[in-house]
Amino acid sequence: NAGVTQTPKFQVLKTGQSMTLQCAQDMNHEYMSWYRQDPGMGLRLIHYSVGAGITDQGEVPNGYNVSRSTTEDFPLRLLSAAPSQTSVYFCASSYGQGPRSGNTIYFGEGSWLTVV
Amino acid sequence: AQSVTQLDSHVSVSEGTPVLLRCNYSSSYSPSLFWYVQHPNKGLQLLLKYTSAATLVKGINGFEAEFKKSETSFHLTKPSAHMSDAAEYFCVVSDEEEYGNKLVFGAGTILRVKS
Repeated sequence: NAGVTQTPKFQVLKTGQSMTLQCAQDMNHEYMSWYRQDPGMGLRLIHYSVGAGITDQGEVPNGYNVSRSTTEDFPLRLLSAAPSQTSVYFCASSYGQGPRSGNTIYFGEGSWLTVV
Repeated sequence: AQSVTQLDSHVSVSEGTPVLLRCNYSSSYSPSLFWYVQHPNKGLQLLLKYTSAATLVKGINGFEAEFKKSETSFHLTKPSAHMSDAAEYFCVVSDEEEYGNKLVFGAGTILRVKS
């Protein structure tokens, strides 16, 4: 059972370059989301999706784009990388209506991105 | 809107002594609360969760947390620290009125365990 798989684990980008962080889950989860982690700030929500074809913005969406063409995949695109996007990125997924339903949210192992 | 405050950015304990990591939350509705642990350069692992059942929640690795609505707190405790507990811990709140499993994270508490 692979769970939530993120690739790449490490990436260095030059300012202005674009790239896609991949996230895939094999648990048939409806809900998927992307967070970024910065020192002293915990994790902040970038974008989320409640099902295939449906996405919405989180707390810090600027500079990022997402799509959800399948249940399994939820890629995060950096349109024109900036040094402020240097961070650790986590993808998460869960099944069902929410945590109160008893559904656990699963996180990937993270993607370390450096923009120079 | 909900928020989470972790009262200590760093906590240092000796091996074998109790651990207390403090968390206060703010939520307009009855929240779900979680503690996650992150070891260096690793992903997030769920320690325990509160979802309006018993107020004392037991998690993995001997950790537990007590939901106190009157104090809006969800402190994490462990009777005896182990070296392997050294990690960063996040208190997290989820408001059921927000559709889509949106979580709000505290800033994190780094736990150091001295031998």
